[in-house]
Amino acid sequence: GAGVSQSPSNKVTEKGKDVELRCDPISGHTALYWYRQSLGQGLEFLIYFQGNSAPDKSGLPSDRFSAERTGGSVSTLTIQRTQQEDSAVYLCASSLVSGGTDTQYFGPGTRLTVL
Amino acid sequence: RKEVEQDPGPFNVPEGATVAFNCTYSNSASQSFFWYRQDCRKEPKLLMSVYSSGNEDGRFTAQLNRASQYISLLIRDSKLSDSATYLCVVNKDAGNMLTFGGGTRLMVKP
Repeated sequence: GAGVSQSPSNKVTEKGKDVELRCDPISGHTALYWYRQSLGQGLEFLIYFQGNSAPDKSGLPSDRFSAERTGGSVSTLTIQRTQQEDSAVYLCASSLVSGGTDTQYFGPGTRLTVL
Repeated sequence: RKEVEQDPGPFNVPEGATVAFNCTYSNSASQSFFWYRQDCRKEPKLLMSVYSSGNEDGRFTAQLNRASQYISLLIRDSKLSDSATYLCVVNKDAGNMLTFGGGTRLMVKP
């Protein structure tokens, strides 16, 4: 079946512009996560959605970052007034349910470059 | 101190070699443990979960030492296709939030 999809695959923007990154999770998965990975670094948790519960935003690095999930499916991560340090690969993952051992399936990521 | 620490490597080994990676985690309340594999410029994929009793999947063996708070991954009879970055991953609470180590890079040479 279809996996997690993300768009765009690459995004180049100028410092100060806003960007929107999209994630389409696996159908039926109730949990959705956003991470970012800077070059040569590990993954950094950003935000987590589980069903209709309030999202866990504890990983968002600043108030320029926000995310929403509409209808319990597609999610959009928005970065306002982008900075060069925002350049990274933004990865989305989904899992069937929330739980300690549930496998997270990752999308291919969006590579964001802020000039 | 990072929550999950790994030796970044790279580990350069010949085909057929046995190689082991270790990972330490700081939160003693951590509940679940995993190894993910990430190929260059690709997304991470689950390699295997790590159980308290240790578990094996073909050439791969994972072990957990809760007392010392470390996790290991052993790869036997290395293949060229095993070349990748191996990410140690810890779930620290019931919310399924994963904390990733920085990864250990493995390069298997002919």
